[in-house]
Amino acid sequence: QLQLQESGPGLVKPSETLSLICTVSGGSISGSHYYWTWIRQPPGKGLEWIGNIYYSGSTYYNPSLKSRVTISVDTSKNQFSLKLISMTAADTAVYYCARLSSSSSGSLDYWGQGTLVSVSS
Amino acid sequence: SYVLTQPPSVSVSPGQTASITCSGDKLGDRYACWYQQKPGQSPILVIYQDNKRPSGIPERFSGSNSGNTATLTISGTQAMDEADYYCQAWDSSTDVVFGGGTKLTVL
Repeated sequence: QLQLQESGPGLVKPSETLSLICTVSGGSISGSHYYWTWIRQPPGKGLEWIGNIYYSGSTYYNPSLKSRVTISVDTSKNQFSLKLISMTAADTAVYYCARLSSSSSGSLDYWGQGTLVSVSS
Repeated sequence: SYVLTQPPSVSVSPGQTASITCSGDKLGDRYACWYQQKPGQSPILVIYQDNKRPSGIPERFSGSNSGNTATLTISGTQAMDEADYYCQAWDSSTDVVFGGGTKLTVL
């Protein structure tokens, strides 16, 4: 059974950089039909797509966040990561990592449990 | 950018049929999927590729997609189905788009 687990700080200061890692277990991150995805959800609000990465390193970002986001992949560790610079209170959210299956028409079939990131001084 | 629109809330009586819509320009030309999210939990996929159910999802969940509207239908709605539901589409440029979410109340 595939599992995804987010890890990283729960608190970030304004203007600093958020760094999160998603560790994939129970399957390879190098599968040819999968994009590895970051999604966030501000408290009490809806889901927002941040970006995807393919195991080859190709990335796709939400245009509204593109200037601040970097997603990378480490196939040797079966991990992918998120960096979000210049954090503000508006970036406070639960951050999820997930697997997008292109063979299932872009559905997110496995999700991590999510990690709450608060932005505060 | 592509926009998906959902009603903020839908109410249904136990045992009745709930329908949640998701509207987007020519949405029927894409595939839609649906997620259920209960408080404090991660979303789970309940419908993919317009009308397919992942393993373990009850048969009472079904989906359709035509024209500008995708619909999630829950037949014989149970109290355990009370949750937030999100539609999602993925276009050829590999961008992911979510609807704003619908709170389903079973009362």
